[in-house]
Amino acid sequence: GAVVSQHPSWVICKSGTSVKIECRSLDFQATTMFWYRQFPKQSLMLMATSNEGSKATYEQGVEKDKFLINHASLTLSTLTVTSAHPEDSSFYICSARYRRQGSGNTIYFGEGSWLTVV
Amino acid sequence: SQQGEEDPQALSIQEGENATMNCSYKTSINNLQWYRQNSGRGLVHLILIRSNEREKHSGRLRVTLDTSKKSSSLLITASRAADTASYFCATDVRGSTLGRLYFGRGTQLTVWP
Repeated sequence: GAVVSQHPSWVICKSGTSVKIECRSLDFQATTMFWYRQFPKQSLMLMATSNEGSKATYEQGVEKDKFLINHASLTLSTLTVTSAHPEDSSFYICSARYRRQGSGNTIYFGEGSWLTVV
Repeated sequence: SQQGEEDPQALSIQEGENATMNCSYKTSINNLQWYRQNSGRGLVHLILIRSNEREKHSGRLRVTLDTSKKSSSLLITASRAADTASYFCATDVRGSTLGRLYFGRGTQLTVWP
């Protein structure tokens, strides 16, 4: 079945540095991917919608210059947390929309990435 | 907010008992989905129920949908310790970006052996 791979699974970085998280659709093309953020024991909050070949659409309150999203190909979207601070520490999870002909849309989630900023 | 609300926030039961979780939402939907999340892990898709469906089964899972009340329930029968996880409902909202899901706050289920 369709699989979405997210890398890295966890990362620790120093304050002020940038870190990149990749979201890959392994056996399907995803024109749209979504990036969510989840704080411990809380729900998933959508950060942005990533569209292949165009700019991402950010949710209200999400700084687009801080959370850079690039969707350069139909199978890869990246989220770069720039100038990371400890309050950016969180679980980041992506999803990809798979449009199967005649069957509508199916959403597949990555395994998530734990970011700890020290 | 179009986010769903689950209740209870936490549920603790013994193995073999049934677990029922409820979800309410605010707007018209195309479908509603239930996900499971083990601590610190990604989401596992459990079941999808379309807006024109009222009940759906998958193994030990039973999902109901009442669009007039904008609510859904997830029933896990004969629960096992391995069912311990957080369970989230997510709505595919009519008119929203295709594939965008709105998540509830989740129910933390603990099943004691």
